[in-house]
Amino acid sequence: DTGVSQDPRHKITKRGQNVTFRCDPISEHNRLYWYRQTLGQGPEFLTYFQNEAQLEKSRLLSDRFSAERPKGSFSTLEIQRTEQGDSAMYLCASSPLDRGLYEQYFGPGTRLTVT
Amino acid sequence: AQKVTQAQTEISVVEKEDVTLDCVYETRDTTYYLFWYKQPPSGELVFLIRRNSFDEQNEISGRYSWNFQKSTSSFNFTITASQVVDSAVYFCALSEAFKDSNYQLIWGAGTKLIIKP
Repeated sequence: DTGVSQDPRHKITKRGQNVTFRCDPISEHNRLYWYRQTLGQGPEFLTYFQNEAQLEKSRLLSDRFSAERPKGSFSTLEIQRTEQGDSAMYLCASSPLDRGLYEQYFGPGTRLTVT
Repeated sequence: AQKVTQAQTEISVVEKEDVTLDCVYETRDTTYYLFWYKQPPSGELVFLIRRNSFDEQNEISGRYSWNFQKSTSSFNFTITASQVVDSAVYFCALSEAFKDSNYQLIWGAGTKLIIKP
């Protein structure tokens, strides 16, 4: 399988709990992006990595959110003390360095429900 | 500020009809990129096309065609002879430059396209 994979696909958690999502990009892609998508809306940019360096973070990414890409391969997105407003689809995308933003390849997403 | 507007929330047509999805954008950049993505019910966003601001030629790919007009800041998407498999949410997006010359996508709200058999 050469696509972007995300795990888990679905997560139900209680308010106040911590959750962690994983993204495995296409192996030769240097860039990795996280987005959040709520129902009826387009994706909202959260953060972006080039290799292991986190180069940009959105204002949407409060201090409860943290993302890592320790070895420049897979990435994790952690949400601490989840709130009901965090319920959304969390999308990961990757792209090769030489094509920049031009074509981002998306994973299937992780749907988070906070009860 | 950059913005993408997809005024059509939902479109429903009968199979084999042609359908056009509208996209209007706002940007102060002179260099920018426009994109269309498809999101089928499975949820995975699929890249369809990228167009840069210097290339106003229309593009055709099979049953899909795109009409880019800078004068009206529009980048419309037409599906001819629609098929049930075209049913999906379609997103238009605009690139915005990061401070280090990498680009962030600004997304429209999407248009849900329903093709009835």
